[in-house]
Amino acid sequence: DAKTTQPNSMESNEEEPVHLPCNHSTISGTDYIHWYRQLPSQGPEYVIHGLTSNVNNRMASLAIAEDRKSSTLILHRATLRDAAVYYCILRFNKLTFGGGTRVLVKP
Amino acid sequence: ETGVTQTPRHLVMGMTNKKSLKCEQHLGHNAMYWYKQSAKKPLELMFVYNFKEQTENNSVPSRFSPECPNSSHLFLHLHTLQPEDSALYLCASSQEWRVNQPQHFGDGTRLSIL
Repeated sequence: DAKTTQPNSMESNEEEPVHLPCNHSTISGTDYIHWYRQLPSQGPEYVIHGLTSNVNNRMASLAIAEDRKSSTLILHRATLRDAAVYYCILRFNKLTFGGGTRVLVKP
Repeated sequence: ETGVTQTPRHLVMGMTNKKSLKCEQHLGHNAMYWYKQSAKKPLELMFVYNFKEQTENNSVPSRFSPECPNSSHLFLHLHTLQPEDSALYLCASSQEWRVNQPQHFGDGTRLSIL
């Protein structure tokens, strides 16, 4: 199964953008790239997903490299509520989450 | 409110007890999932049900027994558990079991085995 690599943690200041990278060099042509986040004491929450083209929704943007071997989740203006662990995931039907990136937002 | 409700939120049981975890979704979805999240491991998929039929069993020990009586309800029956089974058990649902379908998670049951 394709694997993902994410930094363990990132810090950001409130109101500033956050760019969360994910490497997935062994991605297959049919793998969608999903992002979820998990706030403390809650279950994971869907953020965004895409296949080849960049995607935008009310929560975030997803930038996918042309060769699809990496992607970046962009939170345009971080708030304290965005402090969570962010997971980059491939192949949802046989899903195994990796360690994710813990995002800390400083006021 | 995610539309997926899990009960109980916390459960403490001995190794010889039998208990069940319950999950209910109000989203009209046809696929439901059980995941395990422990302190030492990332989130792991345990079981998948699609239209009430089990489609995935991710090599889960037989002391965990899932049941899906209809598309809205999912149970996880527990018996003779081990201390290493202490974890957060999460339920999720999606429209169908497909790779591009977002999943909606409950907030989990925190299970402690004495």
